[in-house]
Amino acid sequence: GDSVTQMEGPVTLSEEAFLTINCTYTATGYPSLFWYVQYPGEGLQLLLKATKADDKGSNKGFEATYRKETTSFHLEKGSVQVSDSAVYFCALRGGSYIPTFGRGTSLIVHP
Amino acid sequence: SAVISQKPSRDICQRGTSLTIQCQVDSQVTMMFWYRQQPGQSLTLIATANQGSEATYESGFVIDKFPISRPNLTFSTLTVSNMSPEDSSIYLCSVVMGRVNTEAFFGQGTRLTVV
Repeated sequence: GDSVTQMEGPVTLSEEAFLTINCTYTATGYPSLFWYVQYPGEGLQLLLKATKADDKGSNKGFEATYRKETTSFHLEKGSVQVSDSAVYFCALRGGSYIPTFGRGTSLIVHP
Repeated sequence: SAVISQKPSRDICQRGTSLTIQCQVDSQVTMMFWYRQQPGQSLTLIATANQGSEATYESGFVIDKFPISRPNLTFSTLTVSNMSPEDSSIYLCSVVMGRVNTEAFFGQGTRLTVV
């Protein structure tokens, strides 16, 4: 079945540091890929998405590129802020229509 | 898109009691899900709420413990029955639209503490 593997956290960075959160997936066919963010005390919300190979999703300075050859969708940001502290989930939707989520990666950004 | 109202946002309950969580969506949706989020943040799918029929439960979850109703395409409830401290968690309602390239939408979650 479908699966998503993302790096374990917490990831702890200083403000303005570069961020990478790794995500790889296993799925049949051509799934759509997503990154969600969960701020403390809230539900998940979509951060960005990509629906086909080589697409780049971007939002709020975050980017991720759909790499079919490496089955990856790594999240990057060039300069993180304290307000980016949250939990980030990589996810996919494939043929089953039910989303599959990674375990989440906590990001802590210090001033 | 979809806006989801989930309530209560939090509750503290005595063991042995039951709590019903409500999920209201501002539009008709086909697929609605209930998740549990344990401390340490991973999401676990409890069940798919099916309109007009019994929910489809994932392995490890049973109807007697987590009865689900879905009377129409905009509303669902999840009941956590005969609670124990191990049921302390965040419960999330989620919906997706039909097309596979569209995202999931979530309620703000219900933080349940069982004492």
